[in-house]
Amino acid sequence: DQQVKQNSPSLSVQEGRISILNCDYTNSMFDYFLWYKKYPAEGPTFLISISSIKDKNEDGRFTVFLNKSAKHLSLHIVPSQPGDSAVYFCAASASSGGSNYKLTFGKGTLLTVNP
Amino acid sequence: ETGVTQSPTHLIKTRGQQVTLRCSSQSGHNTVSWYQQALGQGPQFIFQYYREEENGRGNFPPRFSGLQFPNYSSELNVNALELDDSALYLCASSPGTGGINSPLHFGNGTRLTVT
Repeated sequence: DQQVKQNSPSLSVQEGRISILNCDYTNSMFDYFLWYKKYPAEGPTFLISISSIKDKNEDGRFTVFLNKSAKHLSLHIVPSQPGDSAVYFCAASASSGGSNYKLTFGKGTLLTVNP
Repeated sequence: ETGVTQSPTHLIKTRGQQVTLRCSSQSGHNTVSWYQQALGQGPQFIFQYYREEENGRGNFPPRFSGLQFPNYSSELNVNALELDDSALYLCASSPGTGGINSPLHFGNGTRLTVT
């Protein structure tokens, strides 16, 4: 049972436009969400996170939106740059139940930003 | 600041053999987590070590075991290798055991191939 789902395996956008990556989750205990970026032959790099007490968190060109009622989050990248081309993973954890040590990841979305 | 380093980068083993993967945590980080990333999948939590003790475990059989040393470095051991163990093994360190103040910092991984 996949608790974190990224339903789009790939996304292609033009440089300068907005990239929107989506993520859905099923576990209502999740209260902390993160996005990681992964280049080939490298480990995932932490990008941005959001706690369930917020509905938006912004860091430069990156903004994460959380819709708890829909169990949905999205990552917006504006403007998109060719260097943003990578696999993006959505991840979640639950602070209660003693399992905040564990991140549950989606399968990832390959973003390609075309010059 | 030294990041998370893993060794070796690539490894080929035969079914039934045993393997040891190594990880040095980022300076200042006392917690190490191990993840398995199969082809086309997101990273899957194996276990976490904090203060040289296993702090949590994912859905992996006992032939997956680990150690953490006083300098916070860690080893992942896999006995009786199976073909399905072929994957990228990621080590991540963090300044705490989890939550919003302890994002994971990943190494570049060890690519294990079991033939």
